[in-house]
Amino acid sequence: ETGVTQTPRHLVMGMTNKKSLKCEQHLGHNAMYWYKQSAKKPLELMFVYNFKEQTENNSVPSRFSPECPNSSHLFLHLHTLQPEDSALYLCASSPRIAGGPTYNEQFFGPGTRLTVL
Amino acid sequence: GDSVTQMEGPVTLSEEAFLTINCTYTATGYPSLFWYVQYPGEGLQLLLKATKADDKGSNKGFEATYRKETTSFHLEKGSVQVSDSAVYFCALRSPARQLTFGSGTQLTVLP
Repeated sequence: ETGVTQTPRHLVMGMTNKKSLKCEQHLGHNAMYWYKQSAKKPLELMFVYNFKEQTENNSVPSRFSPECPNSSHLFLHLHTLQPEDSALYLCASSPRIAGGPTYNEQFFGPGTRLTVL
Repeated sequence: GDSVTQMEGPVTLSEEAFLTINCTYTATGYPSLFWYVQYPGEGLQLLLKATKADDKGSNKGFEATYRKETTSFHLEKGSVQVSDSAVYFCALRSPARQLTFGSGTQLTVLP
């Protein structure tokens, strides 16, 4: 595997379920990101991790819980979601979060299409 | 705060037509500017970038010039192909801040 992978690619869950999204990067990067992509809206940055430490949480509801056990893996734990949380969830990584464009260029995974019933 | 405004789609063109997708921005300081492309079923890929005023980013026949005076970064291609059908996102990054994306423009190229 190369680049940034995400599993599952598609997920349907009820509002009372608990599920997790997984992201893995094989690029040796130190920073990882979760984004939410909804139809006809700009990408929304949710969380940023740098060297396994969370550095940014953009007022995301607590029903979304990120976990970064190491620089290569990032999870998004989901519980008691709402139908409006249905979206494409994208993971990205970059060499660092700071520095010039060469160092913080982000590489994206294919996303997990989440549907909340 | 930072923001990016790009033309709403969808845009439908015939093969070999000229493409322009407009993008304007509001930012603090001197941002870097980007165009990302998302092909069906895939994540975003960096298409091109420019880091200072008057820089021209180019890749795969696409070009965009960083215009500070008009705060714009319009994407152009002289002759589109069916394989260019995708969603295109304009984005910026101000120093010490994260990427800010536009809402995306769906491009469909017909044979």
